[in-house]
Amino acid sequence: GAGVSQSPSNKVTEKGKDVELRCDPISGHTALYWYRQSLGQGLEFLIYFQGNSAPDKSGLPSDRFSAERTGGSVSTLTIQRTQQEDSAVYLCASSLKTGAVNTEAFFGQGTRLTVV
Amino acid sequence: QKEVEQNSGPLSVPEGAIASLNCTYSDRGSQSFFWYRQYSGKSPELIMFIYSNGDKEDGRFTAQLNKASQYVSLLIRDSQPSDSATYLCAGAVYNQGGKLIFGQGTELSVKP
Repeated sequence: GAGVSQSPSNKVTEKGKDVELRCDPISGHTALYWYRQSLGQGLEFLIYFQGNSAPDKSGLPSDRFSAERTGGSVSTLTIQRTQQEDSAVYLCASSLKTGAVNTEAFFGQGTRLTVV
Repeated sequence: QKEVEQNSGPLSVPEGAIASLNCTYSDRGSQSFFWYRQYSGKSPELIMFIYSNGDKEDGRFTAQLNKASQYVSLLIRDSQPSDSATYLCAGAVYNQGGKLIFGQGTELSVKP
């Protein structure tokens, strides 16, 4: 596709429900990153994928958070038993490859999650 | 200590002036640095990146990197009201997969 695509753009869910957020990276981009941005805050790293594997999950806040990537393309971030503190904008980025100093990462438009 | 630090601002400059945005980093393993612009309610948009010491120019934007001082800056010449946004500095370490570690961002306001 032309850019990184995320869906849904907005999600309102009740506390305790599970949610799935989807990211479709730029075609051919092997690296995919998930970030979270709370209101007025910077971007917090969650996890990254190289192909279908996730070498770095260090940013996932708790075991309620998980992510997978299939076919080296689409990724899904799942939050189980959502809590109000999970409310944030979840941003996905992709880049052509990792391991090169001139690799740029491009962001999708984000999913705004509100837990009520 | 945060890995990437920026003054949160707001930084206010008059239209036509030079805006100077600064960023320091603590991880000497950081190899590349990125400047993103983020308008309110929008996702970050890449402005430019730099990985060699010195200056890199792109139109009205100049990125500067000093690895010895662990300092990165972005200069915006002839600032326009449309440049008003939050500017995010990020560092990347490629033996960690190139994940970007972001600063908190500096809010820039360009007054007409």
